Amino acid sequence: GENVEQHPSTLSVQEGDSAVIKCTYSDSASNYFPWYKQELGKGPQLIIDIRSNVGEKKDQRIAVTLNKTAKHFSLHITETQPEDSAVYFCAASSGAAGNKLTFGGGTRVLVKP
Amino acid sequence: NAGVTQTPKFRVLKTGQSMTLLCAQDMNHEYMYWYRQDPGMGLRLIHYSVGEGTTAKGEVPDGYNVSRLKKQNFLLGLESAAPSQTSVYFCASSKPQGAGGTEAFFGQGTRLTVV
Repeated sequence: GENVEQHPSTLSVQEGDSAVIKCTYSDSASNYFPWYKQELGKGPQLIIDIRSNVGEKKDQRIAVTLNKTAKHFSLHITETQPEDSAVYFCAASSGAAGNKLTFGGGTRVLVKP
Repeated sequence: NAGVTQTPKFRVLKTGQSMTLLCAQDMNHEYMYWYRQDPGMGLRLIHYSVGEGTTAKGEVPDGYNVSRLKKQNFLLGLESAAPSQTSVYFCASSKPQGAGGTEAFFGQGTRLTVV
């Protein structure tokens, strides 16, 4: 089955700096790669996703890049703000049998004012 | 617009007790999922359903059972709770990929402690 590795597990940045989280996946059939943000006491919420036919996608201060050959994808957050502090999860899915998502272990991001 | 609602939000069980977690979604989604979240391990899929009356095992199904008698509801049962099942449980739902969306919408979670 699919295996998703996520690094780093914790990330501390100064407000205004950039944050980068990296994930690798194992199943070449995976074609959908979402990123979820989880705030304390809440369920994960989608912040951006990318499909395998696209190399990069941006939405305001966040961007995701995908390298299918190397089987890795990354989340970039620019101009970080205190409200960006949360746990971020990457995931991968092949879309087969139920669109099952396989998640990485998560990255706890702390933005220091 | 409620989205995905989980009941209860918190529960403490004694070893050997049974309980059912209820998930309800109002988005008419075909697919529903149960995940458990443990520190440092992300979310792991327990069981999932691709439609009313159908269920399938995920990555960590042992000790759990599920039922999807109605499209909008997905129940997770623990027949004989064990301390290893102490976790935060999340329900999610999504549309099939062919229907133009694969975003999974999550509930607020159920924090279960087994003592």
